Amino acid sequence: DSGVTQTPKHLITATGQRVTLRCSPRSGDLSVYWYQQSLDQGLQFLIQYYNGEERAKGNILERFSAQQFPDLHSELNLSSLELGDSALYFCASSVGPTVSSYEQYFGPGTRLTVT
Amino acid sequence: AQSVTQLGSHVSVSEGALVLLRCNYSSSVPPYLFWYVQYPNQGLQLLLKYTSAATLVKGINGFEAEFKKSETSFHLTKPSAHMSDAAEYFCAVSVNTGTASKLTFGTGTRLQVTL
Repeated sequence: DSGVTQTPKHLITATGQRVTLRCSPRSGDLSVYWYQQSLDQGLQFLIQYYNGEERAKGNILERFSAQQFPDLHSELNLSSLELGDSALYFCASSVGPTVSSYEQYFGPGTRLTVT
Repeated sequence: AQSVTQLGSHVSVSEGALVLLRCNYSSSVPPYLFWYVQYPNQGLQLLLKYTSAATLVKGINGFEAEFKKSETSFHLTKPSAHMSDAAEYFCAVSVNTGTASKLTFGTGTRLQVTL
């Protein structure tokens, strides 16, 4: 158990819908990262927040958005869902903002299925 | 932009045999390199990382990797495979921007260990 929690574990929804994925980082971690893992695209970095501020952006679609709240939990919002958005979404957390200095701890993921 | 290439999407070894998982990187600046392991239905776990200190890096579970700049490689090895090593392994590269960093993952190598 990494200490990072993600809810829900599974989510099934229809095309065009909107969903919110939630991540609670390890106690004391200020940085939260979101990743998407799919058969087509592999494992891709989406976005990073550090202490409430966006710090780095990856291949995140405009239909997707995220935020980190004052209590440091984070939410990833996916809207106008398409079949291709079906994937495993991981959250990771670390104490600091750089992966070279601070190990990332991954949550178990949320499996999203769009039908 | 940085990238990693993992040669071989599937590797099968016998229990007790040498494990060698290959990773080559591309980066215009000195990279930070990582190996992660993903067990079925779990998130990723850091095995080891290279951050420009020693070129031979030792990680958890008996794994190690050697950074070879001349070959732009960071191959993962373990002298003797165990059944519990069966998992998917991801090589990743990161370049710090100073205030943040993001991981770029390879496509993964699934390791099968047979009796």
